[in-house]
Amino acid sequence: QQPVQSPQAVILREGEDAVINCSSSKALYSVHWYRQKHGEAPVFLMILLKGGEQKGHEKISASFNEKKQQSSLYLTASQLSYSGTYFCGTEINYGGATNKLIFGTGTLLAVQP
Amino acid sequence: NAGVTQTPKFQVLKTGQSMTLQCAQDMNHEYMSWYRQDPGMGLRLIHYSVGAGITDQGEVPNGYNVSRSTTEDFPLRLLSAAPSQTSVYFCASRPRGDRTYEQYFGPGTRLTVT
Repeated sequence: QQPVQSPQAVILREGEDAVINCSSSKALYSVHWYRQKHGEAPVFLMILLKGGEQKGHEKISASFNEKKQQSSLYLTASQLSYSGTYFCGTEINYGGATNKLIFGTGTLLAVQP
Repeated sequence: NAGVTQTPKFQVLKTGQSMTLQCAQDMNHEYMSWYRQDPGMGLRLIHYSVGAGITDQGEVPNGYNVSRSTTEDFPLRLLSAAPSQTSVYFCASRPRGDRTYEQYFGPGTRLTVT
C-alpha cells in the first residue's frame, strides 16, 4: 500500500524548478504532502482531495490526478530553504476520510547556492 | 497549546527489555498515529486510533502494542525490544471530521536497542 515516490533524490541550484511524483496502486481519497528538515519532525505543506484539484503554497504547488492515482509536487524558483526530504501521504478511498495515512519513502531535495 | 509532545527524546534499551513511549496532545484531536522512520524506508505506520478505546494496526505492528484510554494520550509499548526496533518514532494527531485534515507530528523519540 506504500505509495511510490520519484525521484529518490534531486539536486538543484537556487532558482531552478523541480517536480516530485507520488503514485499509488489503490484508489485514493486524498494525498498529503510534508517536508522534513534533518533532525526535525515532518511539517505539513498541503492536502489534495479527489477531484483533480490543484493547490498552492508560496511557490510550491501540487496536483492530484484521481484517475491515475498520482500526485505531483511542483517547486518553482527553488530557494535554499526548500532543502529537505519531501513525503507524500495517501489515504485510500474507502468512501471518506480515515486515519490510515500511509507515507512514501521520501524524496531528498538539496538546493545549492 | 503545546501541540503533540513525546517523551523521552532519547532512549537506549538492551535486547529483551520493555518500555513505553509516551505521546500526548492538547488539541482535542480524535485521530492519533504512531510512525517509525528508518533510513530509506520513509515513515511507516505502526498503529493508529480514531478515538478513545479504538485502535487498529498499521503497516508494521509486530512487536508493538497500543491503547487509547483518553483522547489526549496514545502510548506505544515495546514488549521485548529487538535491535530491529532501533529507529526514530513519531507520534501524530489530527482532527476527525467530514474531510481529511493536516497531521501534526510530535518531535520524535530516538530509540537505540543494543
